Amino acid sequence: KQEVTQIPAALSVPEGENLVLNCSFTDSAIYNLQWFRQDPGKGLTSLLLIQSSQREQTSGRLNASLDKSSGRSTLYIAASQPGDSATYLCAVRPGGTSYGKLTFGQGTILTVHP
Amino acid sequence: GAVVSQHPSRVICKSGTSVKIECRSLDFQATTMFWYRQFPKQSLMLMATSNEGSKATYEQGVEKDKFLINHASLTLSTLTVTSAHPEDSSFYICSARDQGTGGYEQYFGPGTRLTVT
Repeated sequence: KQEVTQIPAALSVPEGENLVLNCSFTDSAIYNLQWFRQDPGKGLTSLLLIQSSQREQTSGRLNASLDKSSGRSTLYIAASQPGDSATYLCAVRPGGTSYGKLTFGQGTILTVHP
Repeated sequence: GAVVSQHPSRVICKSGTSVKIECRSLDFQATTMFWYRQFPKQSLMLMATSNEGSKATYEQGVEKDKFLINHASLTLSTLTVTSAHPEDSSFYICSARDQGTGGYEQYFGPGTRLTVT
């Protein structure tokens, strides 16, 4: 059974810092991995999706990497801003087809203070 | 981007009553929708997969008679919590798969906060 773990559980940083969120998964046979953002009491917003054949994806100040063989992904946020404060979730889709069910990690609660 | 809506966003009901939550894909067709449940400070747990025109597939431990799912059209799925109890209070999030992107893009609704008193 796939298990997804995110470290740290919570992170508080001053504005402007670069930071790294970690995600690990136990079964490396994945189809893709996705990073989401969730604001309090809200749904999920997709940030980046990395296919299993890819090593990284970038969007603005966000960069996500994937090392499938070691079961790890990182989300790098450059020059953090208070507006980045949210819970960040990673989720993996099992390999084989594009129709597998997502398994989510517990999330990292990020607080960026001015 | 694709938009998924949920209605209502918040609902409070009395124990023993039933509550229906709607999930709509607004600008794409979704033959598959998913229903998740999220407890405070916990991650999303998949409850069931809803397929248009057929019965939903429930995850282990989820009571199908308590959580009724209907996916009557390509843009609408509903989750009915029957005979709700306080322990059913939770944040329910739906997600719809966009067939037009090859099937692997999932878009999430804003969630519904259910409180059972």
